[in-house]
Amino acid sequence: DAGVIQSPRHEVTEMGQEVTLRCKPISGHDSLFWYRQTMMRGLELLIYFNNNVPIDDSGMPEDRFSAKMPNASFSTLKIQPSEPRDSAVYFCASSLGQGFRSPLHFGNGTRLTVT
Amino acid sequence: SQQGEEDPQALSIQEGENATMNCSYKTSINNLQWYRQNSGRGLVHLILIRSNEREKHSGRLRVTLDTSKKSSSLLITASRAADTASYFCATVASNDYKLSFGAGTTVTVRA
Repeated sequence: DAGVIQSPRHEVTEMGQEVTLRCKPISGHDSLFWYRQTMMRGLELLIYFNNNVPIDDSGMPEDRFSAKMPNASFSTLKIQPSEPRDSAVYFCASSLGQGFRSPLHFGNGTRLTVT
Repeated sequence: SQQGEEDPQALSIQEGENATMNCSYKTSINNLQWYRQNSGRGLVHLILIRSNEREKHSGRLRVTLDTSKKSSSLLITASRAADTASYFCATVASNDYKLSFGAGTTVTVRA
């Protein structure tokens, strides 16, 4: 079991640039989550997919953020245009079963720095 | 929003000692989960305890849940240097489905 795989591990970009973060969930898991972690706000849920369908995107900060899950083995989180306040560690997690009543399996995150 | 609050914020202990951290939450829950995060890594699930359970064990970990006090504790026995990490509690409220994380307890185990 390779676990949840995220890429890249680190991303440094300039303000205004487009950033795409990628995630491969654990095979067989049907729920996928994107979280953002900062010192100030802790862990925040951005969006939750079940069976590739976005169920709850109320945590997406603004229209600059978008997420897709074209199939069961791949998801992207895109920020366009990026801003310095988007600097954070972005985690993808997957689980088996609907919602949050099963343990989440996290990737190692993408550390995003926007200058 | 339903969010656990861990106490203490930071804990420093000697290898071999026990470490105890607490989590308090605000409304009734479906379950409570504990996660560990090593520096620069993702969160790792440790234990899930349901609202009708009072205690669970996993190796050197013991979790208790007191729904009347809306609190949970995580005990790490015979700590090791490898236990140095941040520990988070997370709750799923009864009337919601989202998992809300607390701010975490940073545990340092000194050799």
